[in-house]
Amino acid sequence: KNEVEQSPQNLTAQEGEFITINCSYSVGISALHWLQQHPGGGIVSLFMLSSGKKKHGRLIATINIQEKHSSLHITASHPRDSAVYICATNFGNEKLTFGTGTRLTIIP
Amino acid sequence: ETGVTQSPTHLIKTRGQQVTLRCSSQSGHNTVSWYQQALGQGPQFIFQYYREEENGRGNFPPRFSGLQFPNYSSELNVNALELDDSALYLCASSLTWTESYAYGYTFGSGTRLTVV
Repeated sequence: KNEVEQSPQNLTAQEGEFITINCSYSVGISALHWLQQHPGGGIVSLFMLSSGKKKHGRLIATINIQEKHSSLHITASHPRDSAVYICATNFGNEKLTFGTGTRLTIIP
Repeated sequence: ETGVTQSPTHLIKTRGQQVTLRCSSQSGHNTVSWYQQALGQGPQFIFQYYREEENGRGNFPPRFSGLQFPNYSSELNVNALELDDSALYLCASSLTWTESYAYGYTFGSGTRLTVV
């Protein structure tokens, strides 16, 4: 069965802390997406990666294709980073399969 | 380069009514996918349209239907609304799903539908 799992489900941290969110998937894929969803619902695409590492500002995404695992890191976390972070992939068909999401809360 | 616009942003309907939700696609994209996200859940795939044809469908009943127009914008229609249809409806535009591996998706902000 094609599944995407994330951990942790909920994460609360102090401002400035280094954050790691993990995503694992059941079978080989071509690309994995990291998405951010704020209260109110709109989804913003953060990264799409198929190998290695990508960085954008304080956000870093890595993927290990052999281990079927990806991580999203946030350095110097800030309260405005509070959101739900979701990983998703296609599993070789037309629909995105989403992970369950990680609700991140950064406390000032 | 325009993003994806969904309308309306919020909607309240009565059980049994019909609703139409709209989604523009990003300039250059020819594929629109629709997702339903119930409160506290991850998005679930409803269907996808590619060049005005349905190109895949999730586990949703026929009262969920759609259209894609020549400009690649799309509509989601839901007939005979049920209370469980209350959710956030998201659309995402892309190139074909095979090309989405290289070029990714652009999501709209969603339409929050409440059925009472």
